[in-house]
Amino acid sequence: AQSVAQPEDQVNVAEGNPLTVKCTYSVSGNPYLFWYVQYPNRGLQFLLKYITGDNLVKGSYGFEAEFNKSQTSFHLKKPSALVSDSALYFCAVRVPGDYKLSFGAGTTVTVRA
Amino acid sequence: DVKVTQSSRYLVKRTGEKVFLECVQDMDHENMFWYRQDPGLGLRLIYFSYDVKMKEKGDIPEGYSVSREKKERFSLILESASTNQTSMYLCASSLSPGQGNTGELFFGEGSRLTVL
Repeated sequence: AQSVAQPEDQVNVAEGNPLTVKCTYSVSGNPYLFWYVQYPNRGLQFLLKYITGDNLVKGSYGFEAEFNKSQTSFHLKKPSALVSDSALYFCAVRVPGDYKLSFGAGTTVTVRA
Repeated sequence: DVKVTQSSRYLVKRTGEKVFLECVQDMDHENMFWYRQDPGLGLRLIYFSYDVKMKEKGDIPEGYSVSREKKERFSLILESASTNQTSMYLCASSLSPGQGNTGELFFGEGSRLTVL
């Protein structure tokens, strides 16, 4: 079985400050890890993924994420947050060969001006 | 760009009504999925399909059925809607994993269903 935990329901930061959204996972085998963002009343948009290789992956809108195998984590980061980054963020995991993604409960990010 | 289109963005139905949610993708993806999204619960998989006329139950299939008669179209059916099925429904598609495909999902805009 595979699962994802996002330990924070909400993250609040000031514009210009670093943003971190936490994600830990549990799978049997090597994981494929994904981050998605959802703006109000919209579908999910793909941000970035880790499949293999470099532990630091870069994605859309200046976001990056660091894969840490020993801590089974895949935290999303942005060095300098914008008000427009305010949204709901989902972490997801899949194991190779499986069709399905398992999603975390989501973290609401609010960036204040 | 992949486009996944959900025909209805907002629906209001009455208890006991039959509800159809339609989803169409235009990138020849083999796999299609229906999730429901509820606050604090994230996305939960209802059904998915890896080929035409094929379907697999997800984590919460009770009260739902699906139909995939054509590769590009995947329908979610609520045979007799109930108030606890009020939710946001998200359709997604993907290529099958393997052959260099990493299987990320592409989502539609969602269908917000209210059952009175």
